[in-house]
Amino acid sequence: GAVVSQHPSRVICKSGTSVKIECRSLDFQATTMFWYRQFPKQSLMLMATSNEGSKATYEQGVEKDKFLINHASLTLSTLTVTSAHPEDSSFYICSAKSGDTEAFFGQGTRLTVV
Amino acid sequence: GQNIDQPTEMTATEGAIVQINCTYQTSGFNGLFWYQQHAGEAPTFLSYNVLDGLEEKGRFSSFLSRSKGYSYLLLKELQMKDSASYLCASMDSNYQLIWGAGTKLIIKP
Repeated sequence: GAVVSQHPSRVICKSGTSVKIECRSLDFQATTMFWYRQFPKQSLMLMATSNEGSKATYEQGVEKDKFLINHASLTLSTLTVTSAHPEDSSFYICSAKSGDTEAFFGQGTRLTVV
Repeated sequence: GQNIDQPTEMTATEGAIVQINCTYQTSGFNGLFWYQQHAGEAPTFLSYNVLDGLEEKGRFSSFLSRSKGYSYLLLKELQMKDSASYLCASMDSNYQLIWGAGTKLIIKP
């Protein structure tokens, strides 16, 4: 299947700082990328959907000024958690798809805010 | 509203067969996905059904009935490494995945 690379896999940051997570489609052009968050013992929660070259569409309850998403090219989307707080500690996962294909997932990023 | 239902937990014996059911209600339909997720890892893709019927892929098979809003994942010859959560997800008319809460599968020797 197609490869989606997410970086970093783990990150620890201080409270109040910002963290950027990258999601790259390595062997296909991702017209759409999704960002998910997973809380312990819960299913994945879709945070936002981004189409290349346009602004991301955020799900209800997700602060777009806090979780900045940029999908500047067909192979790269970034999620920046701004002014991170301990409650933002979570597992963030991206997925990417091209047209009508299935979505392929990145490896996930475990964010710990101390 | 949009809703995905699947059992919370199932237990099966090594070498046996288990069927994990999923019912869905979504705004529009562009396919039904099954993913496997081991603790602490991202989900991995197992299957995609958009037409009615059974799709077989090695030890795993997935079935879809669009008229009933129903799918199941069938795992044969269970191995201990199959212990994981299995997530059912329906893709709606906007191509967004609506996720079930996952079924935790426990395999016993």
